[in-house]
Amino acid sequence: GAVVSQHPSWVICKSGTSVKIECRSLDFQATTMFWYRQFPKQSLMLMATSNEGSKATYEQGVEKDKFLINHASLTLSTLTVTSAHPEDSSFYICSAPGNELNYGYTFGSGTRLTVV
Amino acid sequence: AQRVTQPEKLLSVFKGAPVELKCNYSYSGSPELFWYVQYSRQRLQLLLRHISRESIKGFTADLNKGETSFHLKKPFAQEEDSAMYYCALRGGFGNEKLTFGTGTRLTIIP
Repeated sequence: GAVVSQHPSWVICKSGTSVKIECRSLDFQATTMFWYRQFPKQSLMLMATSNEGSKATYEQGVEKDKFLINHASLTLSTLTVTSAHPEDSSFYICSAPGNELNYGYTFGSGTRLTVV
Repeated sequence: AQRVTQPEKLLSVFKGAPVELKCNYSYSGSPELFWYVQYSRQRLQLLLRHISRESIKGFTADLNKGETSFHLKKPFAQEEDSAMYYCALRGGFGNEKLTFGTGTRLTIIP
């Protein structure tokens, strides 16, 4: 089945630094990758949609310059949290549509970001 | 706009009792509905989708367009069903964005 590998699983960084999160589709090509953010005990909120070879589409209220998304190949999408602040601490999850029509989405295991 | 509502944040059910997790949606077209489950310390995974009309782990869900609902049901709860459940909606063809409900944490009491 379709597998998305997400790294790192967790990261602690200092305020002002940048953190890159990677999501790789292991056995299929992901032309689209969705990036979600999940606060404790809350639902997944879609941040942006990345498309291979084109600019990402950001949801309303999400800062493009803060959350840089790159989808340079059919198997890799990255999210970079730039100049991170404590309020950026959250759980970030990527997801890609499966490789069959009407197949469910496959999710990465998530990245716990803590900014200190 | 797409919206998914799960009115219950927490639900506790005794083992062997029936389970129903509620989900209502709002969408102007013909949506696709999904249920995702997240077990402790595991990633989100697909439980079932309305289009396949299947039963997974004893769970079923019927799309009721009149009531705009997609409730998840299981006749006899098992301890291993304890998890976080999310209802999700995808718009029609060409709209791949998934919108999630707030989730319901199901706890099965032994």
